[in-house]
Amino acid sequence: QVQLQESGPALVKPSQTLSLTCTVSGGSISSGSSYWHWIRQPAGQGLEWIGRIYPSGSTDYSPSLQGRVTISLDTSKTQFSLKLTSVTAADTAIYYCARDSDYGGYILDPWGQGTLVTVSS
Amino acid sequence: SDVLAQPPSVSVAPGETARVTCGGNNIGGKTVHWYQQKPGQAPMLVIYYDSGRPSGIPERFSGSKSGNTATLTISRVEAGDEAVYYCQVWQSSSDLVYVFGTGTKVSVL
Repeated sequence: QVQLQESGPALVKPSQTLSLTCTVSGGSISSGSSYWHWIRQPAGQGLEWIGRIYPSGSTDYSPSLQGRVTISLDTSKTQFSLKLTSVTAADTAIYYCARDSDYGGYILDPWGQGTLVTVSS
Repeated sequence: SDVLAQPPSVSVAPGETARVTCGGNNIGGKTVHWYQQKPGQAPMLVIYYDSGRPSGIPERFSGSKSGNTATLTISRVEAGDEAVYYCQVWQSSSDLVYVFGTGTKVSVL
C-alpha cells in the first residue's frame, strides 16, 4: 500500500522559495502510469491543486501558479519535490502530496498527511 | 476554470440521509469524485467516477449525477460521518486543471 509523507521547512520568509519533499513508500515512483501531485489548503479554506508530475518527468501546473512553481522527481530517493518561488502570505497553507488513484486517472488517492507552511518574516 | 458550487453546510440527524450537491457548468460531461476531510486530517476518497465506491467505504455512501448537478448521498448517517466533503473534476477545456468544489460541512445533530 502506497504511503506518502511531506517534509520541509514550516516557516518561509516572504519573497523566498518554498521547498517541500514528498517521500513515497510501498511503491515505485518511477515505474507505472501514475501522476504524482501537490495540492494546498489555506487554513479554514478549500483545496487548490498545484500541479503534477509523470514518471517521465513531464509536468502540468495550475495556471494560477504557472511561472512560480516547479515539481521534480528524485527516483533514486523515491521522492518528488515542490518549489514555489517569490512566496507571499497568500501562500501560507497546508501542503499535501498525493498520487493518481488505482481506480483511474484524474482521481487523487492516497494523500499524505500534509505539512503546514507559514510565510512570515 | 469552472467553479464547482456546493452548499456551505448540511445538517442531519443520526440515522437520517444527508445529500450534498455539487453544481457547475458542463459537469454533466465530466466525471465527479468526492472526498471526505475530517478535522486535522487529509482528504480521503469516498466516491470516484460519479458513483464508484472505493474499497473500505461503507455502502451508506453513494454518488449520482443528473444534468449539471452531482450528488453525494450518505444514508443512515452516523456521528463519524461529520466532516467537510469536497467534489472534484478534471478539466481540460482551456487549461489542464483539477477543480475542487467549495466544500460542504456535514454536521450530525
